[in-house]
Amino acid sequence: AQSVTQLGSHVSVSEGALVLLRCNYSSSVPPYLFWYVQYPNQGLQLLLKYTSAATLVKGINGFEAEFKKSETSFHLTKPSAHMSDAAEYFCAVNAGGTSYGKLTFGQGTILTVHP
Amino acid sequence: EAQVTQNPRYLITVTGKKLTVTCSQNMNHEYMSWYRQDPGLGLRQIYYSMNVEVTDKGDVPEGYKVSRKEKRNFPLILESPSPNQTSLYFCASSRRTSGDTKETQYFGPGTRLLVL
Repeated sequence: AQSVTQLGSHVSVSEGALVLLRCNYSSSVPPYLFWYVQYPNQGLQLLLKYTSAATLVKGINGFEAEFKKSETSFHLTKPSAHMSDAAEYFCAVNAGGTSYGKLTFGQGTILTVHP
Repeated sequence: EAQVTQNPRYLITVTGKKLTVTCSQNMNHEYMSWYRQDPGLGLRQIYYSMNVEVTDKGDVPEGYKVSRKEKRNFPLILESPSPNQTSLYFCASSRRTSGDTKETQYFGPGTRLLVL
């Protein structure tokens, strides 16, 4: 079985501050892990993914995430928040051994960026 | 332009009236899937397909059917819709890859369904 827990349904930061969105996963086999972003009234966009290569994964828009097996975590970070980063973010896991098999998503974290 | 299209975008229907939401992609992707999004629950996978004639259940398949007769299309069928199927539905597609960090998954614009 696989599951994902996103800690904090809402995160608020000031523009220019560090963004940290937390994700912990549970998987009985080595997982593939993903972060997606959803802007208001839009579909989902893949930010980045981990597929057992480098543990530090760089994505689009300056985001990156680090896979930590010992902590079963895949937290998303960005050094300096921008107003345009305001969106809902979803962490997802796939323990099926392929990049795009059965995905299980976390409940989402809404990021608010203040001027 | 590479894209995933869904129709209709908005639909209001009544309990028990069969409906189909279509999904089509123009990228020759092998993999396609359906999700529903509900507040506080995130996205939950309904069904997915690895290729033509190959489909499998996701986390919440009850009350839904799918078919994959052609590579580009992956319709979602609600044989007898109920109010608890009121939701926002997304279709997605991608190539089947292993470890290619440049590959991405494309999502459709969403279909907002209200079942009365």
